[in-house]
Amino acid sequence: DTGVSQNPRHKITKRGQNVTFRCDPISEHNRLYWYRQTLGQGPEFLTYFQNEAQLEKSRLLSDRFSAERPKGSFSTLEIQRTEQGDSAMYLCASSSTGNQPQHFGDGTRLSIL
Amino acid sequence: SQQGEEDPQALSIQEGENATMNCSYKTSINNLQWYRQNSGRGLVHLILIRSNEREKHSGRLRVTLDTSKKSSSLLITASRAADTASYFCATDDSSASKIIFGSGTRLSIRP
Repeated sequence: DTGVSQNPRHKITKRGQNVTFRCDPISEHNRLYWYRQTLGQGPEFLTYFQNEAQLEKSRLLSDRFSAERPKGSFSTLEIQRTEQGDSAMYLCASSSTGNQPQHFGDGTRLSIL
Repeated sequence: SQQGEEDPQALSIQEGENATMNCSYKTSINNLQWYRQNSGRGLVHLILIRSNEREKHSGRLRVTLDTSKKSSSLLITASRAADTASYFCATDDSSASKIIFGSGTRLSIRP
């Protein structure tokens, strides 16, 4: 049973660099979500896709952030010109519909030097 | 912004005791979910309770929902060391397009 897969698990980069994360959802799931989580807090919603369509973006998602799901399967989250404040765990989740439980990957931990 | 807020923020109990965590939310909901997160891992869905349900059970878990008070509780009975984790409640937003998580309760089970 393949769950949600995220790569890489850890990313260390210098401030100002661009980073890209990948999420492979459960294959039959139409919905794909991205969250950001900082230490001691719950996940904060960033954006979600219904198949290949990006339907909603949080105000947290500045112009430096972009997400894609080109064929309605895997998704990428890119952060350009990284800043110290971008250091966090980035979580991906998928579900079959909006009212169903979400299945989470183990996240990508981003550290900005 | 966070819809749900868990209480307490941290809880430490002896193995075998019961653990109760509470969640309060602000606006009307369609359903409320509880998730568990082990350190450094993703979240795992535990249970979903719909707004027209008052109580739901799953193994050692019991969830209640009081929509008049806009609150929910998660009871874990006969706690085990493996229950040590953070527990989050999540409610759907007004458009029911996504869920919003609280800040969580960090549960520690002492052997």
